[in-house]
Amino acid sequence: NAGVMQNPRHLVRRRGQEARLRCSPMKGHSHVYWYRQLPEEGLKFMVYLQKENIIDESGMPKERFSAEFPKEGPSILRIQQVVRGDSAAYFCASSPTGPSSYNSPLHFGNGTRLTVT
Amino acid sequence: GQQLNQSPQSMFIQEGEDVSMNCTSSSIFNTWLWYKQDPGEGPVLLIALYKAGELTSNGRLTAQFGITRKDSFLNISASIPSDVGIYFCAGQENSGYALNFGKGTSLLVTP
Repeated sequence: NAGVMQNPRHLVRRRGQEARLRCSPMKGHSHVYWYRQLPEEGLKFMVYLQKENIIDESGMPKERFSAEFPKEGPSILRIQQVVRGDSAAYFCASSPTGPSSYNSPLHFGNGTRLTVT
Repeated sequence: GQQLNQSPQSMFIQEGEDVSMNCTSSSIFNTWLWYKQDPGEGPVLLIALYKAGELTSNGRLTAQFGITRKDSFLNISASIPSDVGIYFCAGQENSGYALNFGKGTSLLVTP
């Protein structure tokens, strides 16, 4: 999973601040997915993006959360006015084609661990 | 998303023993994936399954896509200490983009 690069690895924010998480997909991959993992839980889908387009954001909270995947540069997950409940590990995954088609399963990055104090 | 039931929640075994874990879903999936996650790291893909009844091996790991398409299992043979970690199943419905994850099986292996 070293191909998907996420930074920062750890992020500490005070309540009310903004958190920006970055994800660079594997080379040649134009599909990016964000997942959130709470302690001792499995990953939960948040959003699926292709270059410059949000395809499915059904797992994203309606307020304070946004995601983008610009034509140039990494995908960004932005959390405004963070609260303690936002503390979690946020993982990005990429694939070269559509969602989990044959021979195109998701490969994850090492995540960003967000702590809100 | 769909909640997968993954069991057992944790396992504590001796080196050399075989391990089996499974996942069930109330929905039909067209893809089952098994991942391993080490502390502080992201999930690493172990095995991907795309057809009902499919049995696939990756070294000492074997996984099967259940005939009903609502379950999958993962076996690890002759466990070694580096097998320690949390194993997650993940399934995907035909109509969706999201992977639905189980809550994980925590595996501890003693030498």
